[in-house]
Amino acid sequence: AQSVAQPEDQVNVAEGNPLTVKCTYSVSGNPYLFWYVQYPNRGLQFLLKYITGDNLVKGSYGFEAEFNKSQTSFHLKKPSALVSDSALYFCAVRDWKDMRFGAGTRLTVKP
Amino acid sequence: EAGVVQSPRYKIIEKKQPVAFWCNPISGHNTLYWYRQNLGQGPELLIRYENEEAVDDSQLPKDRFSAERLKGVDSTLKIQPAELGDSAVYLCASSSRISGSYNEQFFGPGTRLTVL
Repeated sequence: AQSVAQPEDQVNVAEGNPLTVKCTYSVSGNPYLFWYVQYPNRGLQFLLKYITGDNLVKGSYGFEAEFNKSQTSFHLKKPSALVSDSALYFCAVRDWKDMRFGAGTRLTVKP
Repeated sequence: EAGVVQSPRYKIIEKKQPVAFWCNPISGHNTLYWYRQNLGQGPELLIRYENEEAVDDSQLPKDRFSAERLKGVDSTLKIQPAELGDSAVYLCASSSRISGSYNEQFFGPGTRLTVL
């Protein structure tokens, strides 16, 4: 069965510093990977996805993610963090019928 | 373009009471999903609709949960009777199949259910 793992419950960074939120995946075929962000009392918002093609995927709000097949990872990155990036981030993997989410990583960006 | 609409946003009930949640997906989206999100966890799929057909309800606790999407547009998820463990956020999402099967899902704001 396909799954994703987010090894860090919490990530803290200073404003202006680069950020990385980690995700590893396990699939039986081609991986279709997604990142979502959830702000308090809001639904999940789509950030970016990897289906095929370039390993570096660019998404909303300046975020990008790097697909690494050999390490089965799909880490979310941003060169310069903003305080407003503080939220809950979910990695997800999808097959033809189902999408499975990780447990989430809470990102806190401090001024 | 309006997003996925859910109501109510919050609901507090006593155990053994019934409760219903409503979702209106993005216009034109064929696929509708209901998820449950427990505190500190990612969403877990309860049921998926393709138009009016429930094509995946394997994770729906059918003894107390039911769902419908009669006209293939809006949907209702019901719990009867509710139990303490049902306290969670219930998320609705929709997606389009125009461009293939791996499109992103668009989520509503969720209904936060508290069962006392």
